[in-house]
Amino acid sequence: DAKTTQPPSMDCAEGRAANLPCNHSTISGNEYVYWYRQIHSQGPQYIIHGLKNNETNEMASLIITEDRKSSTLILPHATLRDTAVYYCIVRPGGGAGGGNKLTFGTGTQLKVEL
Amino acid sequence: GAGVSQSPSNKVTEKGKDVELRCDPISGHTALYWYRQSLGQGLEFLIYFQGNSAPDKSGLPSDRFSAERTGGSVSTLTIQRTQQEDSAVYLCASSFGRLGTEAFFGQGTRLTVV
Repeated sequence: DAKTTQPPSMDCAEGRAANLPCNHSTISGNEYVYWYRQIHSQGPQYIIHGLKNNETNEMASLIITEDRKSSTLILPHATLRDTAVYYCIVRPGGGAGGGNKLTFGTGTQLKVEL
Repeated sequence: GAGVSQSPSNKVTEKGKDVELRCDPISGHTALYWYRQSLGQGLEFLIYFQGNSAPDKSGLPSDRFSAERTGGSVSTLTIQRTQQEDSAVYLCASSFGRLGTEAFFGQGTRLTVV
C-alpha cells in the first residue's frame, strides 16, 4: 500500500479556508486518493476522493498535483463543526481479492477556532 | 435505512464471555469492512468481505476473532473468550465493490470488557 504523510495538527480560524496537505509519493497509477474525517466519538465520514483530476463536492475540494505525489483537501469556509481528525488515504486497486481496504494513518487533527 | 447500521451501540461483557456484533450494510453494497478503534488510537483494519467471501482477513488479531457474512448482506463479528484488551469501538463500513467507490461507516459498537 502506498503510505501517506500528514501533519499531526493544524489550526484554522472559523470562516477561513482550511488547507490540509498530504504527501503520497509512492502512489501507483491505479490508486485513488481518499479523504475521510472523524469527529470525536463518531464513525469516519467520507469527504471526497479523486484519481488525478481535481474534484469538488458540497463538502470540500481536492487538489491533486500533476505528478500525483501530493494532494490538498480544501474546506472553503471552515466552521467549528469541521473540527475533526482528517485522514488522507491511498486506496489500492479494487476488485475481488484486490485489497479494497482503506488503511488509516494517524491523520491531521484540525481545530477550528473562533 | 439509508446508512450502515450497527448493533448493539454499546456492549458491556465479562471477561471470558463471547460476544457478537452485527452490521447491516447499505443495500446493494457488495463490499463490507470491519475495523476497530481502541481509545485514543487510530483505526485498525480487521477483515474485508466481497459478497460472502473474505479475501482479506489479515487484520484479525487472533483466532478468537471471526466474522461471517450471509446473503451478501448482514455481517456478524464474533469475539470468543473476550479479554480486556478487546475493549474498543468496532466499526463497520460498506461500499460498492468497484474501484474508486467510497465506503460509508456506521457509528460503531462500543465494546467494554470488564
